[in-house]
Amino acid sequence: QSALTQPPSASGSPGQSVTISCTGTSRDVGYYNYVSWYQQHPGKAPKLMIYEVSKRPSGVPDRFSGSKSGNTASLTVSGLQAEDEADYYCSSYAGSNILVFGGGTKLTVL
Amino acid sequence: EVQLVESGGGLVQPGRSLRLSCAASGFTFDDYAMYWVRQAPGKGLEWVAYISWNSGGIGYADSVKGRFTISRDNAEHSLYLQMNSLRAEDTALYYCAKGRVLNSRELDYWGQGTLVTVSS
Repeated sequence: QSALTQPPSASGSPGQSVTISCTGTSRDVGYYNYVSWYQQHPGKAPKLMIYEVSKRPSGVPDRFSGSKSGNTASLTVSGLQAEDEADYYCSSYAGSNILVFGGGTKLTVL
Repeated sequence: EVQLVESGGGLVQPGRSLRLSCAASGFTFDDYAMYWVRQAPGKGLEWVAYISWNSGGIGYADSVKGRFTISRDNAEHSLYLQMNSLRAEDTALYYCAKGRVLNSRELDYWGQGTLVTVSS
């Protein structure tokens, strides 16, 4: 049960696009299409932004998109807005009722 | 409206026990898997435990296996986490979260958390 690897920080200017990576192994990200992304603002509970690699829950702007290649999943935020500044966490199912999170990425909107 | 309200946190000495509860409302509780996730102060999210809709499937993080027990009472719409042999590294905000659909692997609603502090 090793944590997924995310860059500690990412940044972009308003209107730009930024991509956050999430690297796992062939036993989690690479094997299952159960990668999710969560947004967490300071002092708030996490919010589901992407599930099953690329699906968006109702109410999540289409500026948020997800993808996966091999053992690495990615979250792309297009048309950056000030309110997108937050911490982002990926998670993946790892089999046997095990879930694993990434270490989190702090997204700064410059 | 989906609501998840955690309770039971507090200050506890190392080696002691604590039982967290999560009261669920606004959805058909016994149709969904449930999770506990924790976040140490200033740190990232850490998955703790999973329980399927009928308690037939259960999973634990290695860091708590053998010490923590997840359970649920579908009649009471409640989720529990029995925490034994607590350690300083268990200090965290503990979130209760709901699976998106039956036995899903994504968490679509979260409570506001209950703080557990393990210290002498």
